Amino acid sequence: DTGVSQNPRHKITKRGQNVTFRCDPISEHNRLYWYRQTLGQGPEFLTYFQNEAQLEKSRLLSDRFSAERPKGSFSTLEIQRTEQGDSAMYLCASSGWGRQGSDTKNIQYFGAGTRLSVL
Amino acid sequence: GEDVEQSLFLSVREGDSSVINCTYTDSSSTYLYWYKQEPGAGLQLLTYIFSNMDMKQDQRLTVLLNKKDKHLSLRIADTQTGDSAIYFCAGLTGYALNFGKGTSLLVTP
Repeated sequence: DTGVSQNPRHKITKRGQNVTFRCDPISEHNRLYWYRQTLGQGPEFLTYFQNEAQLEKSRLLSDRFSAERPKGSFSTLEIQRTEQGDSAMYLCASSGWGRQGSDTKNIQYFGAGTRLSVL
Repeated sequence: GEDVEQSLFLSVREGDSSVINCTYTDSSSTYLYWYKQEPGAGLQLLTYIFSNMDMKQDQRLTVLLNKKDKHLSLRIADTQTGDSAIYFCAGLTGYALNFGKGTSLLVTP
């Protein structure tokens, strides 16, 4: 088990460009989450997948943001027409199957994040 | 987030105990967590507590939950320089974790 993996670790882009980030969750985890963290703040929830279904989206996820998890394994987060305000750390987390009485589904493990800088 | 509040900074001497405090407003939070973040890194889960518990101990870490006052604390015994980091309190509401702004812990020799 290698943990949650995110790529790239850093991305520098010009305003107006599109960017895509990838997250590979812990292999047996069926739940996947995206968060955004700006400087000096705690992470803020963006969206949640259970298997391939996107079940919850925050109001922070504007129309320029889209997330997918096509086969219920890895996920991508795309930002179109990037703005300077999109500069942040984008964190992915995953959690496991919840057997009855198990805490596993409620424990989110985070990747190292992708730091986006929009110039 | 505005629903979870933490003091921003704490400084302790190596070997002392550290106590990091958190208050939350959402009484429907089923689980409460402490995460650690080192510079430029992701979040490392330290410990968590179910909302019907009032204490949990895990090696050097002790979590206390006062549900009536919506107050959560993390005590780190025998604090080491490697414990210097930002500590985030978070509550689980539905699927989403709701984080505080973090407490920056500085451990001095």
